[in-house]
Amino acid sequence: EAGVAQSPRYKIIEKRQSVAFWCNPISGHATLYWYQQILGQGPKLLIQFQNNGVVDDSQLPKDRFSAERLKGVDSTLKIQPAKLEDSAVYLCASSPRGGNMNTEAFFGQGTRLTVV
Amino acid sequence: AQRVTQPEKLLSVFKGAPVELKCNYSYSGSPELFWYVQYSRQRLQLLLRHISRESIKGFTADLNKGETSFHLKKPFAQEEDSAMYYCALRGIAGGTSYGKLTFGQGTILTVHP
Repeated sequence: EAGVAQSPRYKIIEKRQSVAFWCNPISGHATLYWYQQILGQGPKLLIQFQNNGVVDDSQLPKDRFSAERLKGVDSTLKIQPAKLEDSAVYLCASSPRGGNMNTEAFFGQGTRLTVV
Repeated sequence: AQRVTQPEKLLSVFKGAPVELKCNYSYSGSPELFWYVQYSRQRLQLLLRHISRESIKGFTADLNKGETSFHLKKPFAQEEDSAMYYCALRGIAGGTSYGKLTFGQGTILTVHP
């Protein structure tokens, strides 16, 4: 089966600019995750969707970050305006179902964002 | 709240030596535990999960609820095992973190020839 697709792979922007990332999960996967991975750290969950509803966004900086998952399929993550500390790899992952099912999360290649 | 701790950022061993990557967790309930691996220039992928009790590429991990640990072990390390390893926890419905998948900081394993 096709994997999780993310675009772009790389992005360089100036601080205070806006940026958007796109994710296409594996077909049929109900759960979609966005993670932020700063160099030298583990992935930090930003937001988790179950179909098109938000399950957890407790660590999403809502003053500048937003995410949506229209029709429960593709998702976009936006940063507006970007700060230097947003430089990181943004990972998208999907799994067949969340909650109490022992299901694997499949990851995309990630988008490396550099804010200068 | 759920938390995963991997105390070692770096671990170096020689080929053929045993290796153990430590993982401790905190969660108010019965979690699901996973080990993910990221090889150079590849995407993050699942290595093994506690419920399967399987051995993948010679690696095993046992969930110790008393010590809240899920250490990853391999009796004889190979050079191709060199990678970044992440321990991850997912809360189960009924706890306070329904379905949330939390990762540790990761351990870079280097296996020398």
